[in-house]
Amino acid sequence: TQLLEQSPQFLSIQEGENLTVYCNSSSVFSSLQWYRQEPGEGPVLLVTVVTGGEVKKLKRLTFQFGDARKDSSLHITAAQPGDTGLYLCASTTDSWGKLQFGAGTQVVVTP
Amino acid sequence: KAGVTQTPRYLIKTRGQQVTLSCSPISGHRSVSWYQQTPGQGLQFLFEYFSETQRNKGNFPGRFSGRQFSNSRSEMNVSTLELGDSALYLCASSLRTGTGRETQYFGPGTRLLVL
Repeated sequence: TQLLEQSPQFLSIQEGENLTVYCNSSSVFSSLQWYRQEPGEGPVLLVTVVTGGEVKKLKRLTFQFGDARKDSSLHITAAQPGDTGLYLCASTTDSWGKLQFGAGTQVVVTP
Repeated sequence: KAGVTQTPRYLIKTRGQQVTLSCSPISGHRSVSWYQQTPGQGLQFLFEYFSETQRNKGNFPGRFSGRQFSNSRSEMNVSTLELGDSALYLCASSLRTGTGRETQYFGPGTRLLVL
């Protein structure tokens, strides 16, 4: 089973600051997805990255996929309180329908 | 397009009872996966159904079961509930086109509390 390590576990910042969340594995990712989850709700897909070296932008969020496809990062510029949530990375596995999730990074952005 | 829906959203049961949770996938999606989320273990895969057949199963006891109907709607059942079954149960649907890089879309979850 591929293990996904996310860091940091918790991040508390002020509105307007930048932050970066990391997702690493000892194995190569087939593809990697980033989700954001708010309390009591299901994860909402932010992005899927597939190609090594890929960079995707979603407004103030920038996602990078490592060249070797073993790591990924999520960078938020000028964070806002609405960015508060649990950020999860997940990889597809050899088992159909099964995603392997990291433990998540809890991000809190205070006004 | 409507998203994944799950019912009920909240449920309180007592130990020893059984529970059935329901999931309706996005229209056109034929694969439904179920996950259990707890603070200690995070998101863990329960099983996946495709074309009314369970295709994959996670490492959970036989008390956890499920099924899928011809319209792709799915139910999961937990029998003889234990306190440790208290969790957020999430279902996710995908197209399952065969690329192995399926994107899963999650429902809002069912929060189960076992007393």
